Amino acid sequence: QVQLQESGPGLVQPSGTLSLTCAVSGGSIKSSSWWSWVRQSPGKGLEWIGEIYDTEIANYNPSLKSRVTISIDKSRNQFSLKLTSVTAADSAVYYCARASTSVTGLPFDSWGQGTLVTVSS
Amino acid sequence: EIVLTQSPGTLSLSPGERATLSCRASQSVSSSHLAWYQQKPGQAPRLLIYEASSRATGIPDRFSGSGSGTDFTLTISRLEPEDFVVYYCQQYFSSPRTFGQGTKVEVK
Repeated sequence: QVQLQESGPGLVQPSGTLSLTCAVSGGSIKSSSWWSWVRQSPGKGLEWIGEIYDTEIANYNPSLKSRVTISIDKSRNQFSLKLTSVTAADSAVYYCARASTSVTGLPFDSWGQGTLVTVSS
Repeated sequence: EIVLTQSPGTLSLSPGERATLSCRASQSVSSSHLAWYQQKPGQAPRLLIYEASSRATGIPDRFSGSGSGTDFTLTISRLEPEDFVVYYCQQYFSSPRTFGQGTKVEVK
C-alpha cells in the first residue's frame, strides 16, 4: 500500500515561493501513476493544481499554470511543488495524491495527510 | 473547464435512513472518469467510488454510485454514524480535473 507524506514550510511570505515535497513510500514513484497536488481552502473547496508522470510530463491547472512547477526526483522517490508569487488566497491545506493508470478513470486512490500552508507576513 | 455542481449542499438525515447525493456536470462526462470521495474532519479525502459505480477497495456495499452523461448519484443505503461527513464528486474526463463543492451529510 503506497503512502504519501507532504513536507515543507507552514508559513510563506506574501510574494514569496511556496515549496512542498511529497515523499512516496511502500511503492515506486515509477509505477505507472500520475502524481498530483491538490489544495483545499474554505473559500474554494478542493482544487487540483497539477500532476506529473515519471517520464516528467506535467500537466497544470490553467488557473495556476503561470505560477506552478511540479518536478519529480525518481532517485529519492518523491515529487515537489513550487508555487511562486503567493498571496493570502494561496493559503490552504495542500495534499499530494496518486492516480494509478491501473484504475480506470484515474481517480485519486492514495492521498497524503495534508499540510497547512499559510501566506502571511 | 467542466463544472460539477453537487446538491443538496447539506443533507439532514437520521442513522439508518437512505441518503441520495447528486452531482451534475456542466457538460457530458464519461462514466469511466467520475469518482466520489468521502472526507472526514481533519483528514484527506478517501476514494469511495470510481468509474461512476465501482466501489474502491474496502468500501462497504451500502455505498453505491450510478449515473451517466451529466447526472450522477451517490447513494448510501443505510446511514451509519461514521457516514455523517462530507462527500465530493470529481471528474477527469477533461483537464483540468475538477471537484464538486461538496455535500455535507448531517444528523437530523
